[in-house]
Amino acid sequence: QKEVEQDPGPLSVPEGAIVSLNCTYSNSAFQYFMWYRQYSRKGPELLMYTYSSGNKEDGRFTAQVDKSSKYISLFIRDSQPSDSATYLCAMSGYNQGGKLIFGQGTELSVKP
Amino acid sequence: ETGVTQTPRHLVMGMTNKKSLKCEQHLGHNAMYWYKQSAKKPLELMFVYSLEERVENNSVPSRFSPECPNSSHLFLHLHTLQPEDSALYLCASSQAYRSTNEKLFFGSGTQLSVL
Repeated sequence: QKEVEQDPGPLSVPEGAIVSLNCTYSNSAFQYFMWYRQYSRKGPELLMYTYSSGNKEDGRFTAQVDKSSKYISLFIRDSQPSDSATYLCAMSGYNQGGKLIFGQGTELSVKP
Repeated sequence: ETGVTQTPRHLVMGMTNKKSLKCEQHLGHNAMYWYKQSAKKPLELMFVYSLEERVENNSVPSRFSPECPNSSHLFLHLHTLQPEDSALYLCASSQAYRSTNEKLFFGSGTQLSVL
């Protein structure tokens, strides 16, 4: 079983839609959860960062962590064509010594 | 210059060539990383340097040879590569190695094609 599972997509939505991106994980020791956004021909950039459980909001983006279900989500409200990218989840914990474990990424396309 | 800069952006090489990838970070970070990104696969950590000392080598074939002459520069020397080595090679940096809330800052990558 992979430590982090992420549906690779591709996911295609119309402009203005609410997008839900998800990852599941198996290691209950993960404490830090991140979402990276990667545009075509670019490196990943840190988009959202959360510690432990709960929600974090930044503009149109909301990151949600449910440690009891080992499930994290990224919601994008009022999606725009400029949101078209690959979204990678990543996580780490004390027993990993801080090493980041990445999901394989979900490719998102927002159509105008 | 800001962030993490990688050169070249694209590289095509034959299996007998020798080439080098270069990475420079302008963030004052102490740790630098090489990752390999293949289509539909998670990022694969290759090497980690902390304060110019190699601290991780994740079962990478010897045809990949890293070098870190100082905390701002990182190289990946390539020789006698195989077609399956074709991928996007990403350099990253972070403030400290294996801090529990490690945040990575990536360059744009070098898209490598091995013919």
